[in-house]
Amino acid sequence: GQQVMQIPQYQHVQEGEDFTTYCNSSTTLSNIQWYKQRPGGHPVFLIQLVKSGEVKKQKRLTFQFGEAKKNSSLHITATQTTDVGTYFCAVIPSNTGKLIFGQGTTLQVKP
Amino acid sequence: DAGITQSPRHKVTETGTPVTLRCHQTENHRYMYWYRQDPGHGLRLIHYSYGVKDTDKGEVSDGYSVSRSKTEDFLLTLESATSSQTSVYFCATVQRDEQFFGPGTRLTVL
Repeated sequence: GQQVMQIPQYQHVQEGEDFTTYCNSSTTLSNIQWYKQRPGGHPVFLIQLVKSGEVKKQKRLTFQFGEAKKNSSLHITATQTTDVGTYFCAVIPSNTGKLIFGQGTTLQVKP
Repeated sequence: DAGITQSPRHKVTETGTPVTLRCHQTENHRYMYWYRQDPGHGLRLIHYSYGVKDTDKGEVSDGYSVSRSKTEDFLLTLESATSSQTSVYFCATVQRDEQFFGPGTRLTVL
């Protein structure tokens, strides 16, 4: 079935440093979503990308969908302690009502 | 948070006992989902529902059953709990492709 690989699994950064997580698929994706889960919390939707080469920004967060629609990235500029959490990519295989999640990247930020 | 509640929020039970987790939503969403979350595995879909009495299996459905007799309620049952089912369980609904998650239930099977 559809799988997405997410790397790295963990990332520790100093506050102010940048952070990037990557999501890769062996097949072409119709869309990709990103979620954030704070420690002890539940996943919260951040964004959905649907177009080849699409780039969207939310303040310090930049989301990108690859030209071939097989990969995506989330980049955080100048991390803050409030960015701590696990970031998941997720895809909806065609003609299904299901969301398949990557394994997640857990971000720790040292103040 | 799309009006999703889960009960109980925490449960400790013994191997072999039946367990039912409840998800309740107030937004009249058609689709509802049950996931489990374990370290290193992200969120894995157990079962989902696309309407009253309409359910289907996800990727890790063995040992679990579900029921949806009303739009607002989606029940997850572990017929005979095992230690491998110790996990955090999340319920979710969807609106325009965006999934909204409940607060989760932490289940420990001893």
